[in-house]
Amino acid sequence: ETGVTQSPTHLIKTRGQQVTLRCSSQSGHNTVSWYQQALGQGPQFIFQYYREEENGRGNFPPRFSGLQFPNYSSELNVNALELDDSALYLCASSLAASGGYNEQFFGPGTRLTVL
Amino acid sequence: AQSVTQLGSHVSVSEGALVLLRCNYSSSVPPYLFWYVQYPNQGLQLLLKYTTGATLVKGINGFEAEFKKSETSFHLTKPSAHMSDAAEYFCAVLGGTSYGKLTFGQGTILTVHP
Repeated sequence: ETGVTQSPTHLIKTRGQQVTLRCSSQSGHNTVSWYQQALGQGPQFIFQYYREEENGRGNFPPRFSGLQFPNYSSELNVNALELDDSALYLCASSLAASGGYNEQFFGPGTRLTVL
Repeated sequence: AQSVTQLGSHVSVSEGALVLLRCNYSSSVPPYLFWYVQYPNQGLQLLLKYTTGATLVKGINGFEAEFKKSETSFHLTKPSAHMSDAAEYFCAVLGGTSYGKLTFGQGTILTVHP
């Protein structure tokens, strides 16, 4: 069983640029959540995708957007990068089912540095 | 809305000593509670979780936590620390939403001295 993978592992961008981060969910999972973890902080929820549609969003501006593909992999796009966007971006996949809790399995993250 | 407070951003113990990492939560609905561990340059690994049922939950690597509703706490313990336990630990809460938004605490860095 393949776990959650993310690419790239590290990325350096300059302020104002755009970036795309990618996530492949664990085999059999249909839901992907994205989190931002700034240095010295806990992860903060950005949004979740289920069946290719956004299924909940945290307190992040519209320049943070995402996609989920038919194979349940996902992309996080950030436009007009700001210095404060520098962080570790974590992807988590889960299998959504009616009721109950669906455990989220995290990938290793992408470290984004904005200069 | 949910929130999590982890008391103590850094905890230092000697190898073989008791580990106690504190977590208090706020939730408007019965919570699901989690502890995750993060090693340097890695993602999050689930240590244990409380959903329903027994309030004392056991996890991996000898860790356990007790859900105390009256104290709104979910403290993490391990009787005897090992050098390999050195990492950052995050408490998280899930609840009251139709999707899986985890709300995390700020994290506690555990240092284990020989």
